[in-house]
Amino acid sequence: RKEVEQDPGPFNVPEGATVAFNCTYSNSASQSFFWYRQDCRKEPKLLMSVYSSGNEDGRFTAQLNRASQYISLLIRDSKLSDSATYLCVVNMEYGNKLVFGAGTILRVKS
Amino acid sequence: GAVVSQHPSWVICKSGTSVKIECRSLDFQATTMFWYRQFPKQSLMLMATSNEGSKATYEQGVEKDKFLINHASLTLSTLTVTSAHPEDSSFYICSATSRLISGRAANEQFFGPGTRLTVL
Repeated sequence: RKEVEQDPGPFNVPEGATVAFNCTYSNSASQSFFWYRQDCRKEPKLLMSVYSSGNEDGRFTAQLNRASQYISLLIRDSKLSDSATYLCVVNMEYGNKLVFGAGTILRVKS
Repeated sequence: GAVVSQHPSWVICKSGTSVKIECRSLDFQATTMFWYRQFPKQSLMLMATSNEGSKATYEQGVEKDKFLINHASLTLSTLTVTSAHPEDSSFYICSATSRLISGRAANEQFFGPGTRLTVL
């Protein structure tokens, strides 16, 4: 079983749509959780951290369910510029070792 | 702030040659640097973790004699791919972290733009 699993997609949605991505992780001792965005042939960029209480940043909302070892990302009012690969990332232990999911591809079309 | 650069951004070389990739933190001192590799349509895979002045810690399955890491200062780490072969062709990305950047989480990693290596 992969340490971090994501639906690879692609998710093809029209502008303005709401889209949700899910991610599961295998290590119950994982400490911190993130969503990164990666554009084609570029480095990943931090989108947001994910907290147990859930957190929102503009059109983006992230949720964490520790009991189910499940993380989600909701994007409202999708823009063309949201098209990218979204990476679910888990910090597996104390320290800074990040484990990346393979990513979910989002394509927003006009 | 918290900018990480990599050089070169892309390189094409012949099989059997060695390639050195530099990773620099431009405006902060990186206590730890990480090297990742990403094959097409796959996730980033951590290759090794390096702390300034000490030997790198390699992940399982990564040959330390093939992927030489030197972290000589708090702003520079290098990855040398020795005797590169076509299967080493990949996107190599470094990241750096520091506890000393105000306003940022202590464990946030800042990524370089990556180096695309093609071995013919």
